[in-house]
This record gives sequence, C-alpha cells and structure tokens, in this order.
Amino acid sequence: AQSVTQPDIHITVSEGASLELRCNYSYGATPYLFWYVQSPGQGLQLLLKYFSGDTLVQGIKGFEAEFKRSQSSFNLRKPSVHWSDAAEYFCAVGLGGSQGNLIFGKGTKLSVKP
Amino acid sequence: GAGVSQSPSNKVTEKGKDVELRCDPISGHTALYWYRQSLGQGLEFLIYFQGNSAPDKSGLPSDRFSAERTGGSVSTLTIQRTQQEDSAVYLCASSLQTSNYGYTFGSGTRLTVV
Repeated sequence: AQSVTQPDIHITVSEGASLELRCNYSYGATPYLFWYVQSPGQGLQLLLKYFSGDTLVQGIKGFEAEFKRSQSSFNLRKPSVHWSDAAEYFCAVGLGGSQGNLIFGKGTKLSVKP
Repeated sequence: GAGVSQSPSNKVTEKGKDVELRCDPISGHTALYWYRQSLGQGLEFLIYFQGNSAPDKSGLPSDRFSAERTGGSVSTLTIQRTQQEDSAVYLCASSLQTSNYGYTFGSGTRLTVV
C-alpha cells in the first residue's frame, strides 16, 4: 500500500539556521507530492507541490523541496528559519489520475529557538 | 465562497449523542474530502466526494460515521452514538476536479466527546 513517512516527529532549530524536513514515500510510479504547513490553531496551508519537470520546486514563505526519485524522497528545505516558521509540517502524496485522496505523513513539528 | 468554511468550529457533546459537522467548499470545486486529525496521528482520510459519482467511503472507521453532499456543494459528516475516541479535529478540504492540484482546507471542527 502507498505510504508516506516523515521520520522526524519533532525538530528544533535556531532562528537563522537552515532547515531540512524529511519525507519518504512508497509508491511504484512517480506520485504527485505536496508539503503543507499547519500553524498553531490554524488550518493546513499548501506550501508547494511537485507534479513533473524540474525536481527542485519553490514554494511560499521561502521554502523549497527537491524530488529525488532514486531515494523516493521529497525533502523540504529553507536556508534561514524565522520564528514564525514554528508549526507542524505535513508531506502528502497523490497518486494521479482519478485517484481521490491524498495520503499524508504524520507530520513533523518544528520549534524555533531564539 | 472564498475559502472552505466549516461549522461549528468547536463542538462538545456527551457520549452517545449524535453530531453533525458541516463543510461548505470553495465554489466550483467538484471534489470534497473529510479527514480526521488526532494528536500525534497525522491526517486520517475518511471520505471523498467527486461530482456526482458515488463517494469513496473507504476511510470511514465504523458504521457510526456517514457523510452526504447535497447538490454537489455543502457536505455534512454525521457521527452517531459518539464515543470518546471520536474526539479529534475534523478537517474538510476541497479541490478543483482532483487531488492532483492539492487541497484547500477549512479550519476544522474540534470535536470533544465527554
């Protein structure tokens, strides 16, 4: 069955430091890939998505993610973290075509130290 | 509307009572999804509606859960004979045609069963 793994439950980084959040998926073909962010008490907001083409995608709020087929990964990165980036981040996989729902990872909670 | 609207935002109910949660998707979005978010469990897919097709109910955890979508727009998730383990945030999302474009989420309904 298709699955999404976010190996890190909780990550703490210092403000201004770089960030990488890991995401691995299990699926035979190239899926559609997404990162969402959920700030405390808020709904989920789409950060970026990958369908095809350039494997490095840019998103909102200075985030980017790189699709690596050989590693079945879609890691999220940001060069310099701001305190407002503290939130929970979810990776999701869509299987394309008429397949209905996205499959979400369990999330990584990001804390930012001043 | 401009976004996905869910009501109520909070609901406290007694064990054994029935509850109805409402979702009003973005106008023109043909696909509508319900997820449940429990602490530390990520997003659990419940049900998916696409246009006039029969809904994908594969994620509903028991026959106490049901959902309908009237006129291809507003959806209601009903939980009968609520149990304490039903306590969670129930999220609704909509998308243009398929999930490949990514979802727009509502802010959720926090359900507490006491």
